[in-house]
Amino acid sequence: QVQLQQSGPGLVKPSQTLSLTCAISGDSISSNSATWNWIRRSPSRGLEWLGRTYYRSKWRNDYAVSVKSRITINPDTSKNQFSLQLNSVTPEDTAVYYCARAGDYDFWSWGQGTLVTVSS
Amino acid sequence: QSVLTQPPSVSAAPGQKVTISCSGSRSNIGNNYVSWYQQLPGTAPKLLIYENNKRPSGIPDRFSGSKSGTSATLGITGLQTGDEADYYCGTWDSRLTAVVFGGGTKLTVL
Repeated sequence: QVQLQQSGPGLVKPSQTLSLTCAISGDSISSNSATWNWIRRSPSRGLEWLGRTYYRSKWRNDYAVSVKSRITINPDTSKNQFSLQLNSVTPEDTAVYYCARAGDYDFWSWGQGTLVTVSS
Repeated sequence: QSVLTQPPSVSAAPGQKVTISCSGSRSNIGNNYVSWYQQLPGTAPKLLIYENNKRPSGIPDRFSGSKSGTSATLGITGLQTGDEADYYCGTWDSRLTAVVFGGGTKLTVL
């Protein structure tokens, strides 16, 4: 049973960087059959996939076009976790953020969600 | 505006059946598996259907999925008040090289 535990601040000021971490138990971030994703939900956008990191002989990333210039998702093999950094946030980035494990692009395990509000 | 199109809302009485549609294109639904998720208020989404029509362990057979061409459908029979939730379809878009979701459908059990 894979469990994902999210951590990070719930309030970020405009123009600053949103940072969240997702700790994994029950699986290895270096698994060759999993992808590690960040997804958000907002009233205006519904569910929005932000990106993923995964290991297939080497570390790879895919990012959504909408955030590609501002996002970084990094694995941390020493702590079996992965992180999200979203730069230059605006109030439009206010959302509930989830980390999720997928086999390919079907999301079997989810973190508990973190409400992140962008406000001064 | 979402890449996949779902109706904003559907409703039906307890015990009845409802279907939720998800429309896309050849680059997403047309060439990739579709998944469906249920999101109850205040909780994380839960996988209901994967690979178009398969149910994870523990998901009752009241929930079913199908795909034809560039559209997919989620069916729910024997509706219960506990089924009131938002439902999302999702898949991979080969042209965007990204996961895409529908805008979500709110199910009301009257």
